[in-house]
Amino acid sequence: AQSVTQLDSQVPVFEEAPVELRCNYSSSVSVYLFWYVQYPNQGLQLLLKYLSGSTLVKGINGFEAEFNKSQTSFHLRKPSVHISDTAEYFCAVSGDYQKVTFGTGTKLQVIP
Amino acid sequence: EAQVTQNPRYLITVTGKKLTVTCSQNMNHEYMSWYRQDPGLGLRQIYYSMNVEVTDKGDVPEGYKVSRKEKRNFPLILESPSPNQTSLYFCASSGQGVGEQYFGPGTRLTVT
Repeated sequence: AQSVTQLDSQVPVFEEAPVELRCNYSSSVSVYLFWYVQYPNQGLQLLLKYLSGSTLVKGINGFEAEFNKSQTSFHLRKPSVHISDTAEYFCAVSGDYQKVTFGTGTKLQVIP
Repeated sequence: EAQVTQNPRYLITVTGKKLTVTCSQNMNHEYMSWYRQDPGLGLRQIYYSMNVEVTDKGDVPEGYKVSRKEKRNFPLILESPSPNQTSLYFCASSGQGVGEQYFGPGTRLTVT
């Protein structure tokens, strides 16, 4: 079985400040990890993914995430946020490219 | 343009009246999936399909049916909808071995 935990349901942060959105997972097999973003009234789009290789993954819009196998974490970071980053962010895990489990989401609110 | 389309985008129906939500992709993807999104619960996988005539249950399949007779289409069928199926539904597709999913715009279903 696999699961994803996003501990923070909401994260307020001032514009141009750094942000970290936390994601912890569990899986009994090798994992593939993803971060998706959902802007208001839209579908989800991929921010970044970890399939193998380097544990530091860079994505779109200046986001990056680090895969930490010992801590079973895949936290998302951005050094300086913009108003346009206001959205809901979902972490997801797939153990075998078939069944996909999403976290409950973190709403990022960027304050001007 | 590469895309996943869903129809209808909005639907209000009554308990017990059978309905179908269509999903189509133009990227020749093998993998397709249905999710429901509910506040505080994130996205939960309903069914997925690895290829034509190959489908499997996700985490919340009860009350839903799917079929995959053509590679591009993956309709979601609610044979006897109930109010607890009121939700936002997303269809997604993925190329084989990639893991990254492309999402449709969503279908907001209300069952009264």
